[in-house]
Amino acid sequence: DVKVTQSSRYLVKRTGEKVFLECVQDMDHENMFWYRQDPGLGLRLIYFSYDVKMKEKGDIPEGYSVSREKKERFSLILESASTNQTSMYLCASGRGTAHRNTQYFGPGTRLTVL
Amino acid sequence: GQNIDQPTEMTATEGAIVQINCTYQTSGFNGLFWYQQHAGEAPTFLSYNVLDGLEEKGRFSSFLSRSKGYSYLLLKELQMKDSASYLCAVRDGNYQLIWGAGTKLIIKP
Repeated sequence: DVKVTQSSRYLVKRTGEKVFLECVQDMDHENMFWYRQDPGLGLRLIYFSYDVKMKEKGDIPEGYSVSREKKERFSLILESASTNQTSMYLCASGRGTAHRNTQYFGPGTRLTVL
Repeated sequence: GQNIDQPTEMTATEGAIVQINCTYQTSGFNGLFWYQQHAGEAPTFLSYNVLDGLEEKGRFSSFLSRSKGYSYLLLKELQMKDSASYLCAVRDGNYQLIWGAGTKLIIKP
């Protein structure tokens, strides 16, 4: 079974803090993704990566950065957390760009910024 | 712009059948996915359609009409554990996934 793990299920931070969210997958997937999920909105893509040391901006990259130093690990960084970044953050991984490739999700990190 | 529409919430009775619709407008089309998400948990893959027609998988079926930009997820013999949100997502011409906001399905005894 594909396993995607995230470093924390719940996190509380203060405005202005630097926040690191870690994601690890164990299926040698090329692609990794960071989303945020807010009530009433669909999943919104923050950043994605198709290879080690490669990153691409998604729909809402402002206020975020990412790092992918190893194939299995994809980190999301909030340089200076703000209250509007309070959300559920979901990491996903998948293989290649073929039509059927499914994204597999981690359990999510619910981040609260005070 | 690109858009996925699905109802916000639906209610159905245990043992019954429910159909969750999804309409989409995207730049190109490379497949449509349905995911299930229980409250507080990650989305899990349910089905995939890239050709027109019905795909059946146990109690769940998914239908696609590309000409109409329309899909539905059909759930039969509803069980209480089917209470969840159901997310429709379309892979566009650039192979990016566009997500709907999800349909919260409430099952009543």
